[in-house]
Amino acid sequence: QVQLVQSGAEVKKPGSSVKVSCKASGGTFSNYAISWVRQAPGQGLEWMGGLIPNFGSTHYAQKFQGRVTIVVDDSANTAYMEMSSLRSDDTAVYYCARGYLLGESGYFDIWGQGTLVSVSS
Amino acid sequence: DIQMTQSPSSLSASVGDRVTITCQASQDISNYLNWYQQKPGKAPKLLIYDASTLQKGVPSRFSGGGSGTDFTFTISSLQPEDIATYYCQHYDNLPPREFTFGPGTRVEMK
Repeated sequence: QVQLVQSGAEVKKPGSSVKVSCKASGGTFSNYAISWVRQAPGQGLEWMGGLIPNFGSTHYAQKFQGRVTIVVDDSANTAYMEMSSLRSDDTAVYYCARGYLLGESGYFDIWGQGTLVSVSS
Repeated sequence: DIQMTQSPSSLSASVGDRVTITCQASQDISNYLNWYQQKPGKAPKLLIYDASTLQKGVPSRFSGGGSGTDFTFTISSLQPEDIATYYCQHYDNLPPREFTFGPGTRVEMK
C-alpha cells in the first residue's frame, strides 16, 4: 500500500520561500498525477497545481502561477512544492495527493498527512 | 472555468438519520464528480468517484448519484464516526486541466 509522507512543519517570514517534500513509500509516482492542495485555517480545499503525466507537463491554478513550482524526482520517489514570496495568508496546511486520471475522470486516492506552513513576522 | 457549489454548507442530524448533500457544477460534467470526507486535523479521504462508484473499503451506507450538473451524496444511516466535512470535486481534462473542489458541507451530530 502506497503511503505519501510529507516533510515537517515550517515557520517562515513574509517574503521568504518554502519547499515541502512528499515521499512515496511502498510504491512510485510513475504515471500518477501528483498534486498539491492547500487548506487555510477553517477553510476548504484549494488545488494549487500538479503534474499531469498524460501530457507530460505541470499545471498550476492561475492563482499560483509564477509563485509555485512543483517538481517530481522519480529516482527518489519524491515530489516537491516550492512557494516564493510568502504572505501571511499563505498560512495553511499543504497536502500532496496522488491523482488517478483515466480519460475525463480524475480523483485523489492517496493523500499525504499534511504540512503546516506558518507565515508570520 | 467550472465552478462547484454545495448545499447545505452545514447540517445537524441524529444517529441513524438519512443525510443528503448536493453538489452543482456550473456546466455539464457528465458523471465526473468525486466525494471526499475530511475529519478535523486529518487529510481528506476519497469516498466515491465518478459520481457513484464506492472506493474500496468505504462502508456501503455512503452512496452517490447524479449526472450532468446536479449530484447527490447520501449517508443512509448516520453514524457518530461520520461527523466530518464533505467535499465534492471535479477534474477538467481540457486546458488548463484543473481540479476544482466544492466549498464543503459540515455534518454535525444533533
